Amino acid sequence: NAGVTQTPKFQVLKTGQSMTLQCAQDMNHNSMYWYRQDPGMGLRLIYYSASEGTTDKGEVPNGYNVSRLNKREFSLRLESAAPSQTSVYFCASSDDRGGSAEAFFGQGTRLTVV
Amino acid sequence: DQQVKQNSPSLSVQEGRISILNCDYTNSMFDYFLWYKKYPAEGPTFLISISSIKDKNEDGRFTVFLNKSAKHLSLHIVPSQPGDSAVYFCAASRPMKTSYDKVIFGPGTSLSVIP
Repeated sequence: NAGVTQTPKFQVLKTGQSMTLQCAQDMNHNSMYWYRQDPGMGLRLIYYSASEGTTDKGEVPNGYNVSRLNKREFSLRLESAAPSQTSVYFCASSDDRGGSAEAFFGQGTRLTVV
Repeated sequence: DQQVKQNSPSLSVQEGRISILNCDYTNSMFDYFLWYKKYPAEGPTFLISISSIKDKNEDGRFTVFLNKSAKHLSLHIVPSQPGDSAVYFCAASRPMKTSYDKVIFGPGTSLSVIP
């Protein structure tokens, strides 16, 4: 049981380049999320998808787009990367108990924008 | 303004002693609280949780205490082991949501357990 799988694990981008972070879960969860983690800031929600076919903005959505490709996959796209998007990105999923149950996180993608 | 605060960025404890990690929250609407543990180069993993109808929840060496009147919770690890060295995130959730979009994470406390 792989849980939540993210690719890539590391990425260096030049300012203005684009890239897509991929995420897949095999737990049949309806809800999937993208977070970023910055020093002293905890985990901040970028976008989430409460079910296949729906996506919503989180706390820090500017500069990002998402696609819920199917129930398993949820991708995050940076159209024009900026140094402020240097961060560690985590994909997560949860079942319909929402905030009263655990979320499962991927291993993270360390992104550096130069 | 952070709704979930962990005012100690780091904590060092001797192996075998008790580790106490603290968390404060500002929103009285939070009704469920979770602790996550994160090792370097890995994603956070769930550790323990507590509902606002309780004041204590215990799971092996880990106990979480909730003081609603003070809007404060703490995670106790007894006895502390070197493998407990990690970053611990406190998280708070609002009522009856089916997704995590209303879960707010604190900034984390880095625990070092010294052998």
